[in-house]
Amino acid sequence: KNEVEQSPQNLTAQEGEFITINCSYSVGISALHWLQQHPGGGIVSLFMLSSGKKKHGRLIATINIQEKHSSLHITASHPRDSAVYICAVQYGSNYKLTFGKGTLLTVNP
Amino acid sequence: SAVISQKPSRDICQRGTSLTIQCQVDSQVTMMFWYRQQPGQSLTLIATANQGSEATYESGFVIDKFPISRPNLTFSTLTVSNMSPEDSSIYLCSVAGGIEAFFGQGTRLTVV
Repeated sequence: KNEVEQSPQNLTAQEGEFITINCSYSVGISALHWLQQHPGGGIVSLFMLSSGKKKHGRLIATINIQEKHSSLHITASHPRDSAVYICAVQYGSNYKLTFGKGTLLTVNP
Repeated sequence: SAVISQKPSRDICQRGTSLTIQCQVDSQVTMMFWYRQQPGQSLTLIATANQGSEATYESGFVIDKFPISRPNLTFSTLTVSNMSPEDSSIYLCSVAGGIEAFFGQGTRLTVV
């Protein structure tokens, strides 16, 4: 069974803290996505990774293909970063995604 | 990139009725997908919407319950039929363009 596991499920931080969210998957993938879901349900794509590391503003995403593991980091966290962060993986050339359950991040001022 | 307009953003419906959700993309895309997110659960693929032919449904989802239309490369609809409270979920349209995935804003459905 192809599974995507995220940790932690819930994370509460103080403004300014460095945040790390982890994602592990069970079989080889062609790409991994990090997504942000807002309370209304809408989803924004943050990163798509197939190797290495990507950075966008205060967000950094890394992936280790051999260890089947990815991390999403948020530097200098801010209350507006509060959202659910979802990891999703893609197999082969199939665009269908398998999703993790998400990590609820709350950043307090 | 692709911009997706999904409507409605939310609705409260009576059991036994049907709701049609629309997904409009600002460019032609080959692959369009419909997902469901039940409370506390991860997103689950309902079906792949195929242009000009019947949608391809995942295990556990059937056409009678979730009929899908895809009349062209920029538009698709998902209907949730004969609704029950168990259908209360977020429904999400997604498209694949190039190597990236894009998502609609989601439809939060509550069935009472």
